[in-house]
Amino acid sequence: DTAVSQTPKYLVTQMGNDKSIKCEQNLGHDTMYWYKQDSKKFLKIMFSYNNKELIINETVPNRFSPKSPDKAHLNLHINSLELGDSAVYFCASSLRDGGFYGYTFGSGTRLTVV
Amino acid sequence: DQQVKQNSPSLSVQEGRISILNCDYTNSMFDYFLWYKKYPAEGPTFLISISSIKDKNEDGRFTVFLNKSAKHLSLHIVPSQPGDSAVYFCAAYGTSYGKLTFGQGTILTVHP
Repeated sequence: DTAVSQTPKYLVTQMGNDKSIKCEQNLGHDTMYWYKQDSKKFLKIMFSYNNKELIINETVPNRFSPKSPDKAHLNLHINSLELGDSAVYFCASSLRDGGFYGYTFGSGTRLTVV
Repeated sequence: DQQVKQNSPSLSVQEGRISILNCDYTNSMFDYFLWYKKYPAEGPTFLISISSIKDKNEDGRFTVFLNKSAKHLSLHIVPSQPGDSAVYFCAAYGTSYGKLTFGQGTILTVHP
């Protein structure tokens, strides 16, 4: 039973399209995150939600909009996709204080914009 | 502004020997430091962590050392096994920031 599951695993789409990535966790965690791993392999936080409330919103274009219908789900919607959005997107979850026990990550969604 | 840095992009080690992965940070406000392991096409997996008030934490073959004065931490893997071959990410967590900040990763290759 996958703890943090993301769908789809691969997504190839044309510039200008709108797409969504879904994430679900069954760990009972309070907080969920979206991270982006770019071509240089850096993992950078985009958003975090705690119990459906937006906590962190890093410098991310407005075209990216997270939505958390409940504390087990955090989806990422991207409007007007650009070539530079191509990356691997990771969903993660943690207890409220994710320090000592860290985050549990999903397996990633590789987005390719052509 | 990269607050967590892993200056070695790769490390190659013989099976059975020690692997030492290094990480430097700039922000003295971090409360925890963590190591993650990542295989291709998978998400990062939590390995081990250390509180900023400790200088060592050990879990089986994995030991993390923290030198606060030097703002440096390292992960020791003894003995190294071919299955340890992966990308290792160092990460830091500040309770006031509420997020994990990652280094850029080090590719570890353990040769049989």
